[in-house]
Amino acid sequence: DTEVTQTPKHLVMGMTNKKSLKCEQHMGHRAMYWYKQKAKKPPELMFVYSYEKLSINESVPSRFSPECPNSSLLNLHLHALQPEDSALYLCASSQILAGGGETQYFGPGTRLLVL
Amino acid sequence: GNSVTQMEGPVTLSEEAFLTINCTYTATGYPSLFWYVQYPGEGLQLLLKATKADDKGSNKGFEATYRKETTSFHLEKGSVQVSDSAVYFCALTDSSYKLIFGSGTRLLVRP
Repeated sequence: DTEVTQTPKHLVMGMTNKKSLKCEQHMGHRAMYWYKQKAKKPPELMFVYSYEKLSINESVPSRFSPECPNSSLLNLHLHALQPEDSALYLCASSQILAGGGETQYFGPGTRLLVL
Repeated sequence: GNSVTQMEGPVTLSEEAFLTINCTYTATGYPSLFWYVQYPGEGLQLLLKATKADDKGSNKGFEATYRKETTSFHLEKGSVQVSDSAVYFCALTDSSYKLIFGSGTRLLVRP
């Protein structure tokens, strides 16, 4: 089973709202990722968690706050977003291999619209 | 730094035509190479992968061979179907957790 699930599928929020995106995997992967994808562009890496600790933050604005409560779950908390943050948010997971080269498995994404 | 270059799309083909989508890369060391597919309104799905030189990845009739001498990983399919219409991303990863994507190639297959 190579399934990563994400909820909600769609989200509309105002610029003053607080919302959260959720991601779950049961493949025993110890690395989890958040990506942002704008239309007609490849995904852009936002955050990487390895062994439930934040290991990479690609200079993402603080209005995006990731959280990894356990090895299966990854959240992205959203607060005071801007309309330009509207995008498809993708979660991914992978094993952690000593030499690198891990395969990342993606979820279906949450399509976010900020009004 | 590492990078991936894909042919510009869209690529428009008739059903049962032969498909090639070119992908070349620049990387230090020995990256793993991937093709991902994104159907309209969906997330990315792993299509195939190769982890070392001369490896051939294959899935659902698609194939790609890791060519270190030409730093290429071209995607091919002998006979495309309408259901293959999607965006295809070539990508590489090294030892840093980072997946480096090409710009994506949109494929449109007409009946």
